[in-house]
Amino acid sequence: QVQLVESGGGVVQPGGSLRLSCAASGFTFSSYGMHWVRQAPGKGLEWVTFIRYDGAIQFYADSVKGRFTISRDSSRNTVYLQMNSLRAEDTAMYYCAKVGYHDPSGHPYYSDYWGQGTLVTVSS
Amino acid sequence: DIVMTQSPDSLAVSLGERATINCKSSQSVLYSSNNKNYLAWYQQKPGQPPKLLIYWASTRESGVPDRFSGSGSGTDFTLTISSLQAEDVAVYYCQQYLFIPLTFGGGTKVDIK
Repeated sequence: QVQLVESGGGVVQPGGSLRLSCAASGFTFSSYGMHWVRQAPGKGLEWVTFIRYDGAIQFYADSVKGRFTISRDSSRNTVYLQMNSLRAEDTAMYYCAKVGYHDPSGHPYYSDYWGQGTLVTVSS
Repeated sequence: DIVMTQSPDSLAVSLGERATINCKSSQSVLYSSNNKNYLAWYQQKPGQPPKLLIYWASTRESGVPDRFSGSGSGTDFTLTISSLQAEDVAVYYCQQYLFIPLTFGGGTKVDIK
């Protein structure tokens, strides 16, 4: 069965950095794009970033562009989110999610599986 | 960015009754090349990650009860729960995935009356 397990969250000061990981299993990792989606406490869902199945294409929300970097390692079946210059408004639960549709073009489709999330708190 | 507007913000429905949630996009999410609506619905229960219910506006995900159905095209979409069960209490989100950035609606909270 598909499993996505996030890790790396924690408390960090404004301006600091954090790297999140998402370990995937139960599917052919190298065939599917992956998303990161976040949810601030008590708020709705916000798409953050997407990476194509081969890592060659990435897209970012304007709110994180230039500060966050998504990457993947198919040898480890893991996707990463490097977060730099963190702000209070980045405080949220961060979910990784598998794209539900394989398309070689790299279009970011809907998500059919989600991890349980890892909590990032940016506070002094 | 495409704005997804859900209504109502919350609703309370009696067990066994119908619940209807609306989602409106600021631009059409119907892709003319394949005639598909790039619209998904998710269910999120407290303390849990979202769960995919519907994609392509009306295709039910495997394992999702058939009381959940999606309809609509272009800019106007509906999620219907035909006979509300206690386990359906949750927040429901629509999402468009045609345009980047992908965007979600604000969510609709469904409770039991």
